[in-house]
Amino acid sequence: DQQVKQNSPSLSVQEGRISILNCDYTNSMFDYFLWYKKYPAEGPTFLISISSIKDKNEDGRFTVFLNKSAKHLSLHIVPSQPGDSAVYFCAATSGGSTLGRLYFGRGTQLTVWP
Amino acid sequence: IAGITQAPTSQILAAGRRMTLRCTQDMRHNAMYWYRQDLGLGLRLIHYSNTAGTTGKGEVPDGYSVSRANTDDFPLTLASAVPSQTSVYFCASRGQHTDTQYFGPGTRLTVL
Repeated sequence: DQQVKQNSPSLSVQEGRISILNCDYTNSMFDYFLWYKKYPAEGPTFLISISSIKDKNEDGRFTVFLNKSAKHLSLHIVPSQPGDSAVYFCAATSGGSTLGRLYFGRGTQLTVWP
Repeated sequence: IAGITQAPTSQILAAGRRMTLRCTQDMRHNAMYWYRQDLGLGLRLIHYSNTAGTTGKGEVPDGYSVSRANTDDFPLTLASAVPSQTSVYFCASRGQHTDTQYFGPGTRLTVL
């Protein structure tokens, strides 16, 4: 049962435009959300996160929005650059859990073309 | 060493053979994890360890075992490899008071 869903396996955006990657979750106990970026032949790298007490977190060109009532979050990249081309994974966890297990979506391949 | 290292980078293995994937971190993180990544399935948790001396099963533990003799090392063993274990394996660690996990570069394993 997929508790974190990324329904778009791929997204293609022109350089300079906005990229919007979406993620939905089903478990209302999740209270911390993360985005990871993955290049081919490398491990996932942490990009940005958001706690459920916030609805927005911004870091440079990257902004994550959280809509708890809809159980939906999105990652905005503005402006998009060719170097942003990678697979983006959404992940969620229950902060109170000692396990600290992350539940991952299946990823979205972002391609930014010149 | 900086961060998490994994070895080998890649391996081709005959079915039925035993294989240990190595993972070492130098961040003194208590928690460590093993994931596998398969096309279209994202990252799935195999085993985890909250601290040295303890381990637990994740989402897809069958056919795998782990040990955590010390803080830095978290090896993953396939006792008798099968073709369905062909995958890319990632080790990750997490420090205290944070939910962010940091990943190693991965091991690409092919079981024939």
